[in-house]
Amino acid sequence: SQQGEEDPQALSIQEGENATMNCSYKTSINNLQWYRQNSGRGLVHLILIRSNEREKHSGRLRVTLDTSKKSSSLLITASRAADTASYFCATGNTGTASKLTFGTGTRLQVTL
Amino acid sequence: SAVISQKPSRDICQRGTSLTIQCQVDSQVTMMFWYRQQPGQSLTLIATANQGSEATYESGFVIDKFPISRPNLTFSTLTVSNMSPEDSSIYLCSVDSSIGAETQYFGPGTRLLVL
Repeated sequence: SQQGEEDPQALSIQEGENATMNCSYKTSINNLQWYRQNSGRGLVHLILIRSNEREKHSGRLRVTLDTSKKSSSLLITASRAADTASYFCATGNTGTASKLTFGTGTRLQVTL
Repeated sequence: SAVISQKPSRDICQRGTSLTIQCQVDSQVTMMFWYRQQPGQSLTLIATANQGSEATYESGFVIDKFPISRPNLTFSTLTVSNMSPEDSSIYLCSVDSSIGAETQYFGPGTRLLVL
């Protein structure tokens, strides 16, 4: 399977804490993206990092990419209850730029 | 950003029947994709819907089971044929954010339960 692995599978934190989730993948990639899904609904794109980048920021999100280890991490700082969702990494692979391969996902629960 | 709607939003069907899911985009797009998300699982790409040509299916998915239409640049349908309980999933359509873009916009999904 080309699908990436994410860990942890589930994460529960309190509001204000930071949340870190990790993604590992198997093939060469053009880019790695993170998406959020609320309660089994549609996915929302969060951030994209290209294979020649090591770190990227967007608001409270920080993404790192280590192509030598074929892994990425997503950090959400100062979490809010509204961040409660499932988070998926997705890779755009070399030669198939439009197609995405999704990871297994991390379910994040942020409590008050 | 593209606005995508799907119909129906959810359905309960009997085994052996078929269901057609519609995906409508508010702007013309090149690439449309259909995904399946089984309960508690990640997304798996079923096929890429190409306007004016046959859909391109991923390994493990066949046209007889999941026929797809793409009559124009804003609309596509996915049919789940001869359903069994194993077909119970969320089916999502998505589109490229722009020509050659690497990110996708997703519809809200169709939640299907097969009894």
